[in-house]
Amino acid sequence: AQKVTQAQTEISVVEKEDVTLDCVYETRDTTYYLFWYKQPPSGELVFLIRRNSFDEQNEISGRYSWNFQKSTSSFNFTITASQVVDSAVYFCALSEEGNTGNQFYFGTGTSLTVIP
Amino acid sequence: EAQVTQNPRYLITVTGKKLTVTCSQNMNHEYMSWYRQDPGLGLRQIYYSMNVEVTDKGDVPEGYKVSRKEKRNFPLILESPSPNQTSLYFCASGDRGLLNTEAFFGQGTRLTVV
Repeated sequence: AQKVTQAQTEISVVEKEDVTLDCVYETRDTTYYLFWYKQPPSGELVFLIRRNSFDEQNEISGRYSWNFQKSTSSFNFTITASQVVDSAVYFCALSEEGNTGNQFYFGTGTSLTVIP
Repeated sequence: EAQVTQNPRYLITVTGKKLTVTCSQNMNHEYMSWYRQDPGLGLRQIYYSMNVEVTDKGDVPEGYKVSRKEKRNFPLILESPSPNQTSLYFCASGDRGLLNTEAFFGQGTRLTVV
């Protein structure tokens, strides 16, 4: 079973539109961490955010915001007023304490294209 | 500058010719790991290491070997590469098994096996 599901394979939006990338995770642990990474066309993986399972506060960083809801096991990522530079593949990931944290489970990624 | 360095960035090789992809980190991280990225499959873990001389299999270890003789280095070895190992490979490192810190990734190695 997929531990992290990113159902949206590809998304295209016009510049300045808002876009939400969905992430649903599965774990039996009470302590776990969730992450988002960005992979621009150049290929490197860029860390965006980490959230632990005890902190359900939503977070905003500039145009980026994250909505963590344990009740639905979701950790969605919203980009407000999207820009062409936001075009990338975005990965959601899960790290579990029960597995001594040595396993990062990645989703299959969502490819975002922002059209100028 | 804190970083994870992979070499080479690009490699084309022939089936059966042994190769090694190097990975080095300068952050004194205990945890290191290798992933492969394939279209539609995301990143899948190949092997990981919690400390020197301690390595464990990830989800897709077949056809790969690793070693951790020094804390900073974690090479990935393909003894007899096959075309199905054509992929984008990432090395990562982190503190305390990535429980509460992000993984720092290398730039990636694009491997083509013909």
